[in-house]
Amino acid sequence: DTGVSQNPRHKITKRGQNVTFRCDPISEHNRLYWYRQTLGQGPEFLTYFQNEAQLEKSRLLSDRFSAERPKGSFSTLEIQRTEQGDSAMYLCASSLGDRGRKETQYFGPGTRLLVL
Amino acid sequence: AQKITQTQPGMFVQEKEAVTLDCTYDTSDQSYGLFWYKQPSSGEMIFLIYQGSYDEQNATEGRYSLNFQKARKSANLVISASQLGDSAMYFCAMREVPALSGSARQLTFGSGTQLTVLP
Repeated sequence: DTGVSQNPRHKITKRGQNVTFRCDPISEHNRLYWYRQTLGQGPEFLTYFQNEAQLEKSRLLSDRFSAERPKGSFSTLEIQRTEQGDSAMYLCASSLGDRGRKETQYFGPGTRLLVL
Repeated sequence: AQKITQTQPGMFVQEKEAVTLDCTYDTSDQSYGLFWYKQPSSGEMIFLIYQGSYDEQNATEGRYSLNFQKARKSANLVISASQLGDSAMYFCAMREVPALSGSARQLTFGSGTQLTVLP
């Protein structure tokens, strides 16, 4: 039983560089979420896909951020022109179908980004 | 206003004892779900237990149980027989059921409680 995987696990970059993270959800899950978690806080929602369609984006997702989920499988999150404030843990989660309020999201190990 | 409040930044418990982690929430919806996740230092969020707003029984999963008091809008996690491996950050989260099909179904998290189990 393969869980959600994320790559890379850690990324150090210089301010102004672009970075891309990948998330592979649990294979039968049709919904995929990206969250951002800063030190000492709970995760905050960034964006959500149902199959290949990006259905909602948080106000936290500035125009420097873009996410894709081609063919409704893996997803990528790209940050352009990184800023020090982008330093955080980026978490991906996936879930299955529409089980109403009981729908459970399963998280990957996250990608820790440090912008110098 | 915060939707999920966890008032205990840190908690200590002796190994083999029980511990309660507090969570209160704020919503005007009648239908919602409450979740608890564990986050060890490695960073992965591990799903522990779920409670639905219409569930009459308190949820239980092994050593985890949820003390759900709907009128008080609280959903406290009880861990029985604590183990050293229970030391981690614990997050309470809520999922409100969206009115529109296709709307985001994201979780709203509290700020977490750091639990330390002492030998």
